[in-house]
Amino acid sequence: EAGVAQSPRYKIIEKRQSVAFWCNPISGHATLYWYQQILGQGPKLLIQFQNNGVVDDSQLPKDRFSAERLKGVDSTLKIQPAKLEDSAVYLCASRQNRLSDTQYFGPGTRLTVL
Amino acid sequence: AQTVTQSQPEMSVQEAETVTLSCTYDTSENNYYLFWYKQPPSRQMILVIRQEAYKQQNATENRFSVNFQKAAKSFSLKISDSQLGDTAMYFCAFMSSSSYGGSQGNLIFGKGTKLSVKP
Repeated sequence: EAGVAQSPRYKIIEKRQSVAFWCNPISGHATLYWYQQILGQGPKLLIQFQNNGVVDDSQLPKDRFSAERLKGVDSTLKIQPAKLEDSAVYLCASRQNRLSDTQYFGPGTRLTVL
Repeated sequence: AQTVTQSQPEMSVQEAETVTLSCTYDTSENNYYLFWYKQPPSRQMILVIRQEAYKQQNATENRFSVNFQKAAKSFSLKISDSQLGDTAMYFCAFMSSSSYGGSQGNLIFGKGTKLSVKP
C-alpha cells in the first residue's frame, strides 16, 4: 500500500511570492490534514478535510493561506503572499475514516522564505 | 483547550540500554487517545504506539511500551534495548474522543524530545 505522497520536498521562495504544495493521501482515506511544523516545535493543524469538505480551518491564516480538496482525493495548500514566518515543514496526513484513530503522515515539504 | 508538554528537549542513551521519555497533558475530558510518534531526520512521522484512555492496561509494541497514569495525566514512553535506528524526534500527541467519534480527530502535539542512541 502506497503511503501519503507530497511534493515538492523542498521549496525556497522570496517573501511576498506564492507557493503551492500538493498531497495525495493513502487510497481510500476520507480524512486529510495539513499541519505546519515550525523548527523546534510539534506540528500544528492548519486545516482538515472530510472527503472534499472542510471540517476545521480555525487555525488557517485565511488572509494568505488557502487549501482545497476538490474531488475528495488529493489536496493543494497555497500560500499567497508568503511571509518570513511561514518558513516551516508542511505535513500532510490522512486517516481512513471517522472510526479510525491513526493518522499516516507524508514526508513533508520544507519551505524556506527569504 | 488541551495541551501536551514534553519536558525533555534532548536525551541520549547507549545502544542496548533502556530510556524513558516523559509526556504530560492537560484535558478536562475523560475519554481520549494518546500517541507517540517518531520523526527520523528524513521527516516522515511514524506512529510508534497508541493508548486509549479508557483502557487501564498499558500499551506495548515490541520494544516500546508506555506508562499511562490517567490521574496524573502522564504518558511516558519506554524504549528497551535501544537501537541506532531509534535515533529521532519523538512526539507525544493527544486526540479527543469527542472529535474522534465525529469527523475531526485532529492531533495536538508536544514540542518533541530529540533522542540520540549512541554506539
